[in-house]
Amino acid sequence: DTEVTQTPKHLVMGMTNKKSLKCEQHMGHRAMYWYKQKAKKPPELMFVYSYEKLSINESVPSRFSPECPNSSLLNLHLHALQPEDSALYLCASSQLPRYLPVNTEAFFGQGTRLTVV
Amino acid sequence: GQQVMQIPQYQHVQEGEDFTTYCNSSTTLSNIQWYKQRPGGHPVFLIQLVKSGEVKKQKRLTFQFGEAKKNSSLHITATQTTDVGTYFCADNTDKLIFGTGTRLQVFP
Repeated sequence: DTEVTQTPKHLVMGMTNKKSLKCEQHMGHRAMYWYKQKAKKPPELMFVYSYEKLSINESVPSRFSPECPNSSLLNLHLHALQPEDSALYLCASSQLPRYLPVNTEAFFGQGTRLTVV
Repeated sequence: GQQVMQIPQYQHVQEGEDFTTYCNSSTTLSNIQWYKQRPGGHPVFLIQLVKSGEVKKQKRLTFQFGEAKKNSSLHITATQTTDVGTYFCADNTDKLIFGTGTRLQVFP
């Protein structure tokens, strides 16, 4: 199984809502990532989890709250978002770079297309 | 901060023509990866380059890592309509940072 599964595929939420994005992988990868991608722009790194611990937070506003309940799951909790947060949110997983030269390709999910109204 | 720039930003080619995208980093890279993202899709891994001066081929695609490990290129020979998409290089030195991308359009 070389898939990363993200749910939901689409989400529309109001600025006062609380919602969560979910991501799951069963490849035994110990690094998991959240990226945000605006139209016609590259994916922008938000968070990195290594061995279920948050290792990188790219100065993301606190209205985005990541969680890694176990080695297969990654959540992104959303609260009080702004319309400019509307984007495609991509989850990815990989082996950790320290295992070079083993292939550390990142596998991406299909993404959640989020619209904040 | 860490920046990975790609040129050109857009490229429109006639089917059968060649295409090249260039990736430049402000810092030395331990390794670089290339991804393709089809319109409406998600990034899909193409290849990883680790060694200085490394050249790898995948059918019509040729990837190169610069001698100084600060630049890379992807060359597609005889483009096909299935090559349409955005090609990203990504710095995988300590976290996966995507380049600005090159969007390729192929006209039949």
